[in-house]
Amino acid sequence: GESVGLHLPTLSVQEGDNSIINCAYSNSASDYFIWYKQESGKGPQFIIDIRSNMDKRQGQRVTVLLNKTVKHLSLQIAATQPGDSAVYFCAGSSSGNTGKLIFGQGTTLQVKP
Amino acid sequence: NAGVMQNPRHLVRRRGQEARLRCSPMKGHSHVYWYRQLPEEGLKFMVYLQKENIIDESGMPKERFSAEFPKEGPSILRIQQVVRGDSAAYFCASSLAGSSYEQYFGPGTRLTVT
Repeated sequence: GESVGLHLPTLSVQEGDNSIINCAYSNSASDYFIWYKQESGKGPQFIIDIRSNMDKRQGQRVTVLLNKTVKHLSLQIAATQPGDSAVYFCAGSSSGNTGKLIFGQGTTLQVKP
Repeated sequence: NAGVMQNPRHLVRRRGQEARLRCSPMKGHSHVYWYRQLPEEGLKFMVYLQKENIIDESGMPKERFSAEFPKEGPSILRIQQVVRGDSAAYFCASSLAGSSYEQYFGPGTRLTVT
């Protein structure tokens, strides 16, 4: 079956540094990916998305890179702040599957002051 | 502009009781999705509904679980005869018609079965 997975369960960075969170997927048919941020006790919060016809997309302080050759995507957070501390999930979907999102396990980002 | 609303936020049920979880989508959204999250895990898709229609229930357990999204009122996820393994956070997401991918999540209902 299809799966989406993250490489590291925990990432610890210094405040002000850049963070890179990685994710791999197995389904070649996946054509849409989203990154979510989840703080303790809250629902996932949409950060940024990317479609398979792109290899890079930028938002405010965040960049998502998609490498379809190796089925890998990453989330880069510039100048990481304490408020960025949370669990980050990547999720994927394919156009034939009614919008169902397949989530990875999550990476906990810890920002040290 | 209210986001996705879920209630109750916390629900405690004894084994064998029924649990009813409610979800009101964002204003203007007519597509609702339910996901379940076990501790330390990612979200697992359960069901996708539009008004009065179940579009995809491939993630729903075969027994005890049901979902509806009536013409009027919130979407309901019903779990009958709950067991301890049903303890989890249940999240609802909604999206605009024709934009199934941009899903916005509610705060979740945390179900505890004692």
